[in-house]
Amino acid sequence: KAGVTQTPRYLIKTRGQQVTLSCSPISGHRSVSWYQQTPGQGLQFLFEYFSETQRNKGNFPGRFSGRQFSNSRSEMNVSTLELGDSALYLCASSFPGLGSAGELFFGEGSRLTVL
Amino acid sequence: AQTVTQSQPEMSVQEAETVTLSCTYDTSESDYYLFWYKQPPSRQMILVIRQEAYKQQNATENRFSVNFQKAAKSFSLKISDSQLGDAAMYFCAYRTYQGGSEKLVFGKGTKLTVNP
Repeated sequence: KAGVTQTPRYLIKTRGQQVTLSCSPISGHRSVSWYQQTPGQGLQFLFEYFSETQRNKGNFPGRFSGRQFSNSRSEMNVSTLELGDSALYLCASSFPGLGSAGELFFGEGSRLTVL
Repeated sequence: AQTVTQSQPEMSVQEAETVTLSCTYDTSESDYYLFWYKQPPSRQMILVIRQEAYKQQNATENRFSVNFQKAAKSFSLKISDSQLGDAAMYFCAYRTYQGGSEKLVFGKGTKLTVNP
């Protein structure tokens, strides 16, 4: 079974640009979550999508947005990039429900550098 | 809001020895999940061990075990017979047991070095 796939793995952008990151969850998983990982703030929850609906949202500005498609693939978008948006963006998928034991499966991440 | 604290930014252990990583958390919920995740350098995060709060018995997975003290809100990870491949960042994480949320709250992590 293929794991969580994130693309692109690395990218460099300049301030003011926008970026779109993609995540393909494990087959059958309907929940996709996004996390931002930085050395200073650690891992912070961005948002979670389940069956194409955003269920939870972290404390990030509106420049951060996401969506989920009918095949459970998800994208996140960051507009008007700032230097502080440089981070590793992690996607995680899960199969929610009783007995799921709550485990999230993570992708390798997309490393964004903003110059 | 729930918080997770890992008070040891870095730890080191000799190969074949035992090390314990600390984690405390704060919550008003009575049911929840706790996890330890491992993130090797430049590799993806993987689950090491999980604990359901309603279970009194401490979870174990081969060389990995936890000491779950619910009243003290403490959840430490013990790694026995440490191996070079155990070197990684270890994150403690909390998840509500309630349905409708897959959100994890992470600690800042502990970097574990294993010395040969």
